[in-house]
Amino acid sequence: DAMVIQNPRYQVTQFGKPVTLSCSQTLNHNVMYWYQQKSSQAPKLLFHYYDKDFNNEADTPDNFQSRRPNTSFCFLDIRSPGLGDAAMYLCATQLRGTAEAFFGQGTRLTVV
Amino acid sequence: AQSVTQLDSQVPVFEEAPVELRCNYSSSVSVYLFWYVQYPNQGLQLLLKYLSGSTLVKGINGFEAEFNKSQTSFHLRKPSVHISDTAEYFCAVHRMNRDDKIIFGKGTRLHILP
Repeated sequence: DAMVIQNPRYQVTQFGKPVTLSCSQTLNHNVMYWYQQKSSQAPKLLFHYYDKDFNNEADTPDNFQSRRPNTSFCFLDIRSPGLGDAAMYLCATQLRGTAEAFFGQGTRLTVV
Repeated sequence: AQSVTQLDSQVPVFEEAPVELRCNYSSSVSVYLFWYVQYPNQGLQLLLKYLSGSTLVKGINGFEAEFNKSQTSFHLRKPSVHISDTAEYFCAVHRMNRDDKIIFGKGTRLHILP
């Protein structure tokens, strides 16, 4: 059974049109991460939550926002997607104080 | 700050041959170490992890890795690869007892040749 679920798996959006990616988890983990992964590169952390505490990476563009309305759900909002935002977006969860992170299947975003 | 170096961006190997994917890390404190595998258009799947104890760690799909503290390495090995092992492999570290992010290496693409 999937424990970290990302929807949709594939998303096509128009240049400049806001888009939202979603992540849900059944693990009741208090930490959730959003990573951006471009082709043939390592995942790059955008931001993460410890419970409701939001932590933004210093180099994450303002174009990227996130919401976590409750423990189970986390959203990534891209306000005005550019061609350079086309990537795989990975959500991960972790129980605070433990080492292992659990990843979803990812959402591949295409910007046209 | 910690960092992870994967020395090889691509590794070609013949089917049924052994393989080693190299990973070195740097950190001023003790770390947990991980190897993740990523198949095309998929998320990351944990292969194995070193938290403490025995330095030889066995994971899924016949992979194993050895933690070497003096050489700050955590190389991944498999004695006989299969075509289904074609994927990207990421080494990662996480500082012990810290609320830190996981740091990934740049990945190694494993090509299995028939």
